[in-house]
Amino acid sequence: QQQVKQSPQSLIVQKGGISIINCAYENTAFDYFPWYQQFPGKGPALLIAIRPDVSEKKEGRFTISFNKSAKQFSLHIMDSQPGDSATYFCAASMNSGGYQKVTFGTGTKLQVIP
Amino acid sequence: NAGVMQNPRHLVRRRGQEARLRCSPMKGHSHVYWYRQLPEEGLKFMVYLQKENIIDESGMPKERFSAEFPKEGPSILRIQQVVRGDSAAYFCASSPISAGTQYFGPGTRLTVL
Repeated sequence: QQQVKQSPQSLIVQKGGISIINCAYENTAFDYFPWYQQFPGKGPALLIAIRPDVSEKKEGRFTISFNKSAKQFSLHIMDSQPGDSATYFCAASMNSGGYQKVTFGTGTKLQVIP
Repeated sequence: NAGVMQNPRHLVRRRGQEARLRCSPMKGHSHVYWYRQLPEEGLKFMVYLQKENIIDESGMPKERFSAEFPKEGPSILRIQQVVRGDSAAYFCASSPISAGTQYFGPGTRLTVL
């Protein structure tokens, strides 16, 4: 019930294309859904996040779509660039004893080819 | 404002030795979280600490692992009598408040020979 399932495991996209990564969760207590971007040898960095009362959030080329009834959310990267090549983690968090406990998906390794 | 700092970045230990990983949170942050990342896997929560207190250690293995966040100095994750299965990247994150966004450090990559 605490899991966050992420797919695909890896993704190759042509430069200029759209990258789509999907995640699903079971626990309806989750109330915050961040996406993290991780480059090799670095720590994850917060990319964009959404709360379940919103169906879509857009920041530049990055958009989160959220379907509360289906308990699914996805990251869309428009006009994908080689510099976007990284591993992307979806996550879900909920208040647990006064703090936000974060559960991560297993990650998607994105490669954008020129 | 310096980000979350972790050291060492790489640590090699032989089976049975102790590993000590350090994390200095961002300035003004008093909440620290430790995560473990196995190859090709996501991050798994280990422990959440505030200054001088362990708040949630539900993700910590019951034996050999311990964590502290003293009043002065960095947070430390200690692994005693390391085994090959402990080889992983260990990430520390910090936040300014308990419900705040977590900012991650660059990680310590532990290799157990």
